Amino acid sequence: KQEVTQIPAALSVPEGENLVLNCSFTDSAIYNLQWFRQDPGKGLTSLLLIQSSQREQTSGRLNASLDKSSGRSTLYIAASQPGDSATYLCAVRPLKYGNKLVFGAGTILRVKS
Amino acid sequence: DVKVTQSSRYLVKRTGEKVFLECVQDMDHENMFWYRQDPGLGLRLIYFSYDVKMKEKGDIPEGYSVSREKKERFSLILESASTNQTSMYLCASSPRGPLPNSNQPQHFGDGTRLSIL
Repeated sequence: KQEVTQIPAALSVPEGENLVLNCSFTDSAIYNLQWFRQDPGKGLTSLLLIQSSQREQTSGRLNASLDKSSGRSTLYIAASQPGDSATYLCAVRPLKYGNKLVFGAGTILRVKS
Repeated sequence: DVKVTQSSRYLVKRTGEKVFLECVQDMDHENMFWYRQDPGLGLRLIYFSYDVKMKEKGDIPEGYSVSREKKERFSLILESASTNQTSMYLCASSPRGPLPNSNQPQHFGDGTRLSIL
């Protein structure tokens, strides 16, 4: 059964720091891995999707990497800002289940001004 | 722009009531999903649908049913609401596989915070 783990569970950093969020998964047979952002009391916003054949994806100050063979992904946030404060979730789309996603529990990020 | 709309942001109901949560997407997606999110438990899949009138159970279907009469609309039904169904409910949609559709992201609505008293 596919399991997704995110470390750390919570992170507090001063504004301007570069930071890394980690995601690991137990089964490398995936279509893709997706990173989401969730603000308090809101739904999920898709940030980046990395296909299984790709190594990384970039969007603005965000860079996500994927090492499928070791079951790991990282989300790198450059020059963090207070507006980056949110919960970040990763999810994999297993080949076995076709349409479903398997989510990690998330990392709660707080960027202090 | 992609849009998934959930009919209510907040809802308060009583135990034993039949509760309907509605979700509409405007992207012509085949797949639609209902999740619930609870502190410490993360997102758990309740039901999903891959086409009109088609449905499959997710990880926690007990106490819920769904309806998909039109492609754009997916309804979650709590047959007889109980206090342990108090939660945040999230709807999502995506195109159906195979590639390249299977590499399209899921899009989520803003969620419905449901309280059962």
